Amino acid sequence: GAGVSQSPRYKVAKRGQDVALRCDPISGHVSLFWYQQALGQGPEFLTYFQNEAQLDKSGLPSDRFFAERPEGSVSTLKIQRTQQEDSAVYLCASSELSNQPQHFGDGTRLSIL
Amino acid sequence: QKEVEQNSGPLSVPEGAIASLNCTYSDRGSQSFFWYRQYSGKSPELIMSIYSNGDKEDGRFTAQLNKASQYVSLLIRDSQPSDSATYLCAVDPYGNKLVFGAGTILRVKS
Repeated sequence: GAGVSQSPRYKVAKRGQDVALRCDPISGHVSLFWYQQALGQGPEFLTYFQNEAQLDKSGLPSDRFFAERPEGSVSTLKIQRTQQEDSAVYLCASSELSNQPQHFGDGTRLSIL
Repeated sequence: QKEVEQNSGPLSVPEGAIASLNCTYSDRGSQSFFWYRQYSGKSPELIMSIYSNGDKEDGRFTAQLNKASQYVSLLIRDSQPSDSATYLCAVDPYGNKLVFGAGTILRVKS
């Protein structure tokens, strides 16, 4: 189990519900990233942590999106009052340090009905 | 203009041929460049990283970087049907996040 682990793999929610997506990075990796991937597109950056510090959240689409990494390991991406346009695959990646190659988890496919 | 541009394809090559995938980027200050392979329904898998001008070879894969032309390419020699996937070019212009192209679909026909 040396890779990036994400859960759940699939999540279906009704519009307006809150969801929480979990990421467990590679052990010892300082940097953790969240990306959103729409069908047929490349991943788009959401936010970046170095240890527990959220250093860049410029990609979060709205204030309904919130991410945390309180102990510098596991991270949670929370989406409040979900909308249909939030439907996408949410990818988590980690790297030993920033500017090092990032390794991705299998993603969470989120569908908002 | 998008920050990272790739031809969406599909690029079709016969088995055993060389596949050439291209990418241009807009941020001249970018220092780190990556190629990822993504199979349908799967996560991106890192294939190559390149930081300096010139060629970098790893097995059947060669990455080429030309910073003056803001151009990155990936060559796949002896292409196999299992190489059929979407290839994502990614640039790290700020040292803390990846900017991806939309990907090029590669189809290797046996």
